[in-house]
Amino acid sequence: GAVVSQHPSWVICKSGTSVKIECRSLDFQATTMFWYRQFPKQSLMLMATSNEGSKATYEQGVEKDKFLINHASLTLSTLTVTSAHPEDSSFYICSARGGVWREQYFGPGTRLTVT
Amino acid sequence: KNEVEQSPQNLTAQEGEFITINCSYSVGISALHWLQQHPGGGIVSLFMLSSGKKKHGRLIATINIQEKHSSLHITASHPRDSAVYICAAERGNEKLTFGTGTRLTIIP
Repeated sequence: GAVVSQHPSWVICKSGTSVKIECRSLDFQATTMFWYRQFPKQSLMLMATSNEGSKATYEQGVEKDKFLINHASLTLSTLTVTSAHPEDSSFYICSARGGVWREQYFGPGTRLTVT
Repeated sequence: KNEVEQSPQNLTAQEGEFITINCSYSVGISALHWLQQHPGGGIVSLFMLSSGKKKHGRLIATINIQEKHSSLHITASHPRDSAVYICAAERGNEKLTFGTGTRLTIIP
């Protein structure tokens, strides 16, 4: 099946710094990518929907100035956590949709720890 | 009440047993997804279905649109099937609403 990669797989950063997470669709063109966040023992929560070449649509309660999303090409979307705080520590997962059947494929996730 | 509910929350079974995980949803959907999440966190998409039944290897997913219910079955379960299984309801805007997951443990 199709492959979606994320980089890095885990990152530790200091409070106040910014962190960029990349999501790539490796063998198909993803017109739409989704970013999710998952806290321990909780379900995935959608943060934002990103369509190639346009601004991301954020879910209610997600600060768009804090979580910057860029979907500059059909194979790459980035999520930048700006001025990270310890409460931003979480597991961030992207998914990509594309292809004839618009199937959805998930990335392996990025574990962010803010100290 | 959650829009997507799964049962059971936890399931422990012996290797070889037939496993059934249930998912009920209360919203109109365009598709129902079954996902598998391993302890490391990575998610694998198992099925996306909007009607009937799909089979892939030892996994079978069924959906009853009228009853708003879907089931995931695993035949001849194996310890490597141990994971969290998540169902997710897809609305017309392609957004997913996730169930809370079923933690499956298969004992050798």
